[in-house]
Amino acid sequence: KAGVTQTPRYLIKTRGQQVTLSCSPISGHRSVSWYQQTPGQGLQFLFEYFSETQRNKGNFPGRFSGRQFSNSRSEMNVSTLELGDSALYLCASSLGTGLGSPLHFGNGTRLTVT
Amino acid sequence: GQQLNQSPQSMFIQEGEDVSMNCTSSSIFNTWLWYKQDPGEGPVLLIALYKAGELTSNGRLTAQFGTTRKDSFLNISASIPSDVGIYFCAGQLMGFQGGSEKLVFGKGTKLTVNP
Repeated sequence: KAGVTQTPRYLIKTRGQQVTLSCSPISGHRSVSWYQQTPGQGLQFLFEYFSETQRNKGNFPGRFSGRQFSNSRSEMNVSTLELGDSALYLCASSLGTGLGSPLHFGNGTRLTVT
Repeated sequence: GQQLNQSPQSMFIQEGEDVSMNCTSSSIFNTWLWYKQDPGEGPVLLIALYKAGELTSNGRLTAQFGTTRKDSFLNISASIPSDVGIYFCAGQLMGFQGGSEKLVFGKGTKLTVNP
């Protein structure tokens, strides 16, 4: 069974630009979550989608947005990039949203903002 | 917000030694998860715990869900070089029946194993 696939693996952008990251969950998984990982803050929750609906959102500015498609694939978008947005962005999928549905992570997209 | 205190931050051990790390919190959790992250990759789920007092093994790894629901530990026996990586605990808060919005991660324990 293929794991969570994230593309691209690496991105370099300049301040003010926008970026779109893509995530394909494990087949059959309907929940997709996004996390930002930085050395200083660790893993921070961005948002979660289930059946194309955003269920919850973390404490990030409105520049961070996402969506989920009918095939459960998800994208996240960051507009007006700032230097502090440089991070590893991780996508995770799970079967559902209840107990017993632990997150399975992809290998992330390393975003560098210059 | 809720925090998980994971310790130690880093460990340097010799191959063959046993390792122990733990996570504590002032909050009560109903799920504890342990992940390992290798450089350049995403975290991989090692062990999931769902009941207070539960002790679960996965090969040389053993994890326990504390009886107070506020802590968990992970032990690695007879460490080998491929155990190198960062280990994260994650807890899901009591009262939430699902949704990763309430999955809180520790800051990680960086493990180095000297051959």
